[in-house]
Amino acid sequence: DAGVTQSPTHLIKTRGQQVTLRCSPISGHKSVSWYQQVLGQGPQFIFQYYEKEERGRGNFPDRFSARQFPNYSSELNVNALLLGDSALYLCASSLEDARSYNEQFFGPGTRLTVL
Amino acid sequence: KNEVEQSPQNLTAQEGEFITINCSYSVGISALHWLQQHPGGGIVSLFMLSSGKKKHGRLIATINIQEKHSSLHITASHPRDSAVYICAVRDFGNEKLTFGTGTRLTIIP
Repeated sequence: DAGVTQSPTHLIKTRGQQVTLRCSPISGHKSVSWYQQVLGQGPQFIFQYYEKEERGRGNFPDRFSARQFPNYSSELNVNALLLGDSALYLCASSLEDARSYNEQFFGPGTRLTVL
Repeated sequence: KNEVEQSPQNLTAQEGEFITINCSYSVGISALHWLQQHPGGGIVSLFMLSSGKKKHGRLIATINIQEKHSSLHITASHPRDSAVYICAVRDFGNEKLTFGTGTRLTIIP
């Protein structure tokens, strides 16, 4: 079985540009979460989506947005990139539903560098 | 907001040694994760627990809900165990995980 996949693996952008990161969850998983990990720090929660609806949002500016598609894949968009957005962006999927919490499985991440 | 602290931040040990990594959190939780992150970024979930103890191979995770503390133990450590180990907690009624800053473990042959 394929695990969580993310694309691209690496990305270089310049300040002010926009970026879209993609995530495909494990087959059967309906919940996708996005995390940002700045070098040397633990990951920080950005968003969670379940059944195409936003279930949670971390302390990130409105430049960050996301959506989930009918096949449960997800995109994270970041507008007006800043140098500080350089980080590893991690996607995680789970079977989580409204009644229970399940283990999250992480993808390999997309390393974004903003110059 | 939950605060998650891990100790030690860095740990170097000889192959074969028994390893303990600690995690403390400030607010009651619904679940705690131990994660392993290798150079390059990929994160692997090792354990998810809400009470007691879990064992998988040479890895053991324990949690004390009353003391808001969890430990990850590695028996007969091996150089391939070298990685960053991260503790993450989920609050009650909250969808997000709050992560510790990680413990960088290096096992010397």
